[in-house]
Amino acid sequence: EDKVVQSPLSLVVHEGDTVTLNCSYEVTNFRSLLWYKQEKKAPTFLFMLTSSGIEKKSGRLSSILDKKELSSILNITATQTGDSAIYLCAVGSSNTGKLIFGQGTTLQVKP
Amino acid sequence: SAVISQKPSRDICQRGTSLTIQCQVDSQVTMMFWYRQQPGQSLTLIATANQGSEATYESGFVIDKFPISRPNLTFSTLTVSNMSPEDSSIYLCSHSGNKNTGELFFGEGSRLTVL
Repeated sequence: EDKVVQSPLSLVVHEGDTVTLNCSYEVTNFRSLLWYKQEKKAPTFLFMLTSSGIEKKSGRLSSILDKKELSSILNITATQTGDSAIYLCAVGSSNTGKLIFGQGTTLQVKP
Repeated sequence: SAVISQKPSRDICQRGTSLTIQCQVDSQVTMMFWYRQQPGQSLTLIATANQGSEATYESGFVIDKFPISRPNLTFSTLTVSNMSPEDSSIYLCSHSGNKNTGELFFGEGSRLTVL
């Protein structure tokens, strides 16, 4: 059965800290791995990764995929209180066209 | 990417009643997906809604409980039937905006509370 596992499930840091969120997967016919940020109801798209070793970067956020290890990390540097959210990892299968979501990591950034 | 409008945004419902959630996309999309997010949980796929055919349900979800309509390529509804407090969740519709990557675009979500 396809599955996506995220760690840690929750994290509390202070402003300015750097955090690393992890995502591992077991998915038949992997197509892509996506990271989303969820603050209220609807998740908002952060990154889409398809190739190993190529870092995607957007401001203080970056992410990289390791297909050999079947995992990805999401890094946030110089965290701000506005980074407090649930971060969701999802993996797409070319077989089904569906996205399978991990449990999410709840990040709280304290002032 | 096509923008999704979802309603209601939130509702408080009585046990035993049914509620229909609507999603309108501003352009034609082939596949739409309905997700549920129970409190403190991640997103779980309920079903895939394809225009012109019956929805495909995931394990643990059945048509009698979550009937779905997809009358055209811009619209879909999900009904949560005979609700119980365990159905209190956020329900999200989405479409596969990018066929090559599988990226999903989400509606604003509907937060249902069942008393």
